[in-house]
Amino acid sequence: QSALTQPPSASGSPGQSVTISCTGTSSDVGGYNYVSWYQQRPGKAPRLMIYEVNKRPSGVPDRFSGSKSGNTASLTVSGLQAEDEADYHCSSYADGNNYYVFGSGTKVTVL
Amino acid sequence: EVKLVESGGTLVQRGGSLRLSCAASGFTLSDYWMKWVRQAPGKGLEWVADIQEEGSQKYYVDSVKGRFTISRDNTRNSLYLQMNSLRVEDTAVYYCARGGLPRCFDLWGQGTMVTVSS
Repeated sequence: QSALTQPPSASGSPGQSVTISCTGTSSDVGGYNYVSWYQQRPGKAPRLMIYEVNKRPSGVPDRFSGSKSGNTASLTVSGLQAEDEADYHCSSYADGNNYYVFGSGTKVTVL
Repeated sequence: EVKLVESGGTLVQRGGSLRLSCAASGFTLSDYWMKWVRQAPGKGLEWVADIQEEGSQKYYVDSVKGRFTISRDNTRNSLYLQMNSLRVEDTAVYYCARGGLPRCFDLWGQGTMVTVSS
């Protein structure tokens, strides 16, 4: 299994929206509705932001939303705030008997 | 407070062994699948291993099969990762994580650094 493909960086001004893509194959993103997204601030542990493509865990602001089309999943952050500046990683369950793949991560900068 | 705390990371020579521990608190460990995920310096996350609630089912990424062993002691609220035949490419921050929501990692520890020298 190969890592999922994410753009290395994305940016937006406060109040704007930013969308991050996560491209896999029919063996992972396209084959399962088990895409999740994680926020990681510098030097900190990852935090779950989205699971099962578009569900938010308790405590995650509704400014964060997820979607999927074919082999590509997306995370959208609306109404960007300074605190949203972080790395974002996608993950998908994959073929191969309980296997998971992650993306390479996208650094989001709030201008 | 619900949390995970890893320990055991250190500098080790290539070919050496190390055991990482993860202490769980604030929840009942035996109710959850548990996982190890690693992050090499400046790189993305990589799933390493999973263990089912009672420890009977274990799964590994191909690159560690036969070298790493995940285990748990629910009576001690602890998760472990035994790492043998360590390689330079195993250098990473190792996180333990909980599988509390379907097919994802819903709670993470702060990580422990493993450095394998050549």
